[in-house]
Amino acid sequence: NAGVTQTPKFRVLKTGQSMTLLCAQDMNHEYMYWYRQDPGMGLRLIHYSVGEGTTAKGEVPDGYNVSRLKKQNFLLGLESAAPSQTSVYFCASSYAPYGGGNEKLFFGSGTQLSVL
Amino acid sequence: GQQVMQIPQYQHVQEGEDFTTYCNSSTTLSNIQWYKQRPGGHPVFLIQLVKSGEVKKQKRLTFQFGEAKKNSSLHITATQTTDVGTYFCVNAGNNRKLIWGLGTSLAVNP
Repeated sequence: NAGVTQTPKFRVLKTGQSMTLLCAQDMNHEYMYWYRQDPGMGLRLIHYSVGEGTTAKGEVPDGYNVSRLKKQNFLLGLESAAPSQTSVYFCASSYAPYGGGNEKLFFGSGTQLSVL
Repeated sequence: GQQVMQIPQYQHVQEGEDFTTYCNSSTTLSNIQWYKQRPGGHPVFLIQLVKSGEVKKQKRLTFQFGEAKKNSSLHITATQTTDVGTYFCVNAGNNRKLIWGLGTSLAVNP
């Protein structure tokens, strides 16, 4: 049981390049999330999904797009990377929405992205 | 909006000493979660507190939720080097948009 798997683990981009981060979970979770973590900033929610085919904006969505075509996968896209998007990106999933009492997050191991 | 403030930001302790981190909010929280992130790792869920005044223990870790549900604490008794990491409290009452505290980084000197 792999849990939450993120690929790639590391990536270096030049400004203006595009890329897609893939997140896959095998726990049959409905809810999936993309966070970014920057020093001194904690974790900030980029986008999230409450089910297959649905996505919603989080706290810092600008410059990112997401898709949830299959329940187990949640993709994060950067169309035109900027140095401000240098960060560690974490994908997470949960069984239930917040407030349901069973909404603990399971995280992937992260992607270190550098934009030069 | 709802925010959670964590103190201290950093703490260095000698192995065997106790450690406490505090999480405070200006608004009432429906519940609160605690996560631990080891250096270079990802956050791992520790516990969720829901009830006013709730106290939960996990071995050497004691978690408390304030009576007014505006604060929470994590206390580690007799720290070990395996306790090194950053501890985050998370406001779990904001309709899927979890608000994370900035965390308390714990360093343990052997």
